[in-house]
Amino acid sequence: QVQLQESGPGLVKPSGTLSLTCAVSGGSISSSNWWSWVRQPPGKGLEWIGEIYHSGSTNYNPSLKSRVTISVDKSKNQFSLKLSSVTAADTAVYYCARKEGYCSGGSCGYYFDYWGQGTLVTVSS
Amino acid sequence: DIQMTQSPSSLSASVGDRVTITCRASQSISNYLNWYQQKPGKAPKLLIYAASSLQSGVPSRFSGSGSGTDFTLTISSLQPEDFATYYCQQSYSTSWTFGQGTKVEIK
Repeated sequence: QVQLQESGPGLVKPSGTLSLTCAVSGGSISSSNWWSWVRQPPGKGLEWIGEIYHSGSTNYNPSLKSRVTISVDKSKNQFSLKLSSVTAADTAVYYCARKEGYCSGGSCGYYFDYWGQGTLVTVSS
Repeated sequence: DIQMTQSPSSLSASVGDRVTITCRASQSISNYLNWYQQKPGKAPKLLIYAASSLQSGVPSRFSGSGSGTDFTLTISSLQPEDFATYYCQQSYSTSWTFGQGTKVEIK
């Protein structure tokens, strides 16, 4: 059973950099999966931030791309998120998640099957 | 980005009711549509993938349908543990996008 666990500061100052790590257990980060970050502002919906493959390839949400860096540490079986120049609008619960591929009826797609419990990051002075 | 729009934003229903939630994509996404359930303080849980395939372990009262731009999630007989917020998500193109959510409340 794959488990993901987010960790990092719960409070970040405006204009600072948000840094979180997601530790993966029960499976290898070098498997054929992409690893994602998703966030949820209080009382609002889900927003995909970006993803990384164990090779280091990344994809980012265009609306956040200029401020986001996702990296992987295969030796520690974990991946990380950095979000720079944060404002109050970046206050959210941040989740890490595994993206799994599937093939059904001749087409192949993706879904998020394993999620961390989430960690609240508040941007405030 | 592909925009996903859910309706209604919230609904009230009773145990045993049949509930239908709609998700519309801003362009055709074939059947690359997933549904998640989220309870307060918890991470989302995958219910349906590929528009109509039930994730392992999910009760059969949940079903999904649709293709192209219009999709539905149906709960055939609402149970107490089903009161939650439901999200659709497209996997047609990176960047993956979610609907704004539909909150199912107790009537």
